[in-house]
Amino acid sequence: QKEVEQNSGPLSVPEGAIASLNCTYSDRGSQSFFWYRQYSGKSPELIMSIYSNGDKEDGRFTAQLNKASQYVSLLIRDSQPSDSATYLCAVIRAGTASKLTFGTGTRLQVTL
Amino acid sequence: GAGVSQTPSNKVTEKGKYVELRCDPISGHTALYWYRQSLGQGPEFLIYFQGTGAADDSGLPNDRFFAVRPEGSVSTLKIQRTERGDSAVYLCASSPLAGGYNEQFFGPGTRLTVL
Repeated sequence: QKEVEQNSGPLSVPEGAIASLNCTYSDRGSQSFFWYRQYSGKSPELIMSIYSNGDKEDGRFTAQLNKASQYVSLLIRDSQPSDSATYLCAVIRAGTASKLTFGTGTRLQVTL
Repeated sequence: GAGVSQTPSNKVTEKGKYVELRCDPISGHTALYWYRQSLGQGPEFLIYFQGTGAADDSGLPNDRFFAVRPEGSVSTLKIQRTERGDSAVYLCASSPLAGGYNEQFFGPGTRLTVL
C-alpha cells in the first residue's frame, strides 16, 4: 500500500465547474497535509495546507481533511483553464522531521 | 521577496562524472530540504538540514550522494560517479522553521541528465 494515494487522472471538468481532487494516506499518525500545484515542466507550488479536521477555504480553493477516514481533498470552484495542472497531495508523518511524502499527483484538465 | 533559487537549471553529464547542484533558500529560512522527482512521480525526499547539520539523510539512495550546508544558508548536493538512473529533477525547498506545521517552498529545480 502506498503511503499517499491519488488517482492519476486525467480529471476533466468544464470551465466554471467544481473540480474535486482526492487523496488518501496510510499512516494514521500523519499530522500535516498539503496540496501543491505543478505545471508541466515547473516545480511544485504550494496552494493549501491543512492541519485539523474540517474545511479550510482560500479563495476558490477549499481543502477538506477527515483524519478518521485518512482522507484529504481539494475543491476548486469556478475552474479556469489556468487551473489545468497536476495536483500533488503531500503529508508529513509524525516523527519524520517534517519531510514531505507525496502522492503521484492527479492531472486536472479544465476544458473550454 | 526572492524565492528559492537553484543552479544550474539544467545539467548534462556523462556516466561516471561528478556533479554539484546548488540551492539558495529563502532568506531567513532555517530548514532546507532536497527532493528528487522522476517523470510521472511525486517528489521523493532525500535529505533535510536544520541550520548547518543534516537532521535527516534517510532518503539519500546510496553513498554516492552527499549534501552540505556549511554556513546554514546555501546548500550543495553532490553526486559522485553518476549513473543513468540518477537522471531526474532535483528540487530544493526551504521553510522558516522545522517541524510538521511549517510550509515548504520549492525552487525551480535542476534537471540532471546522465548520458
